[in-house]
Amino acid sequence: SYELTQPPSVSVSPGQTARITCSGDALPKQYSYWYQQKAGQAPVLVIYKDNERPSGIPERFSASSSGTTVTLTISGVQAEDEADYYCQSADHSGTGVFGGGTKVTVL
Amino acid sequence: EVQLVQSGAEVKKPGESLKISCKGSGYKFTKYWIAWVRQKPGKGLEWMGIIYPGDSDTRYSPSFQGQVTISADKSITTAYLQWGSLKASDTAFYYCARAVGSSGLLDFWGQGTPVTVPS
Repeated sequence: SYELTQPPSVSVSPGQTARITCSGDALPKQYSYWYQQKAGQAPVLVIYKDNERPSGIPERFSASSSGTTVTLTISGVQAEDEADYYCQSADHSGTGVFGGGTKVTVL
Repeated sequence: EVQLVQSGAEVKKPGESLKISCKGSGYKFTKYWIAWVRQKPGKGLEWMGIIYPGDSDTRYSPSFQGQVTISADKSITTAYLQWGSLKASDTAFYYCARAVGSSGLLDFWGQGTPVTVPS
């Protein structure tokens, strides 16, 4: 089955930049989305259509793509950004799929 | 205001059936897809399937095909996820979410329904 691969964890100091990658061979042909899930809460959309931010999402969240990899960047990380982050896209048949998730720890 | 309100926590025995719900409000229910997402304790998100309430077009992820049934009643703007025979491995949080497109972004989420099936 199709998979999106993310690193299990990323650690970053406050004010620094966190980068989370997501790899999948269908990514060049499908939009990617990113969700933030804080402990005990439902996920929240932070990036859609590769690099668009929903209203209310801070500008420090951005995304980029290169080939079969998309990257979520959090610039000037704050303590409140500590959460699990999931990429989401679709496989070659159009069925939705999530990456395994990346735990961001703010040191 | 768009809202998805899910039914409450469930504790069931193995072999029992279950149907949980997700009521949408604040938008045109028949114009957006509703996705169901599983999250096992301490684990990641899993895409289960999706339904378009306008015409009941339903699509399942291969891992969940035949394991659950997704349905919707547009007259009461509610989507459902049901099991015919629960297993301990079905213990998880289940989220519904409004989807833009059949494989697209999930822009509004329900609060989640915890389902516990003790072994």
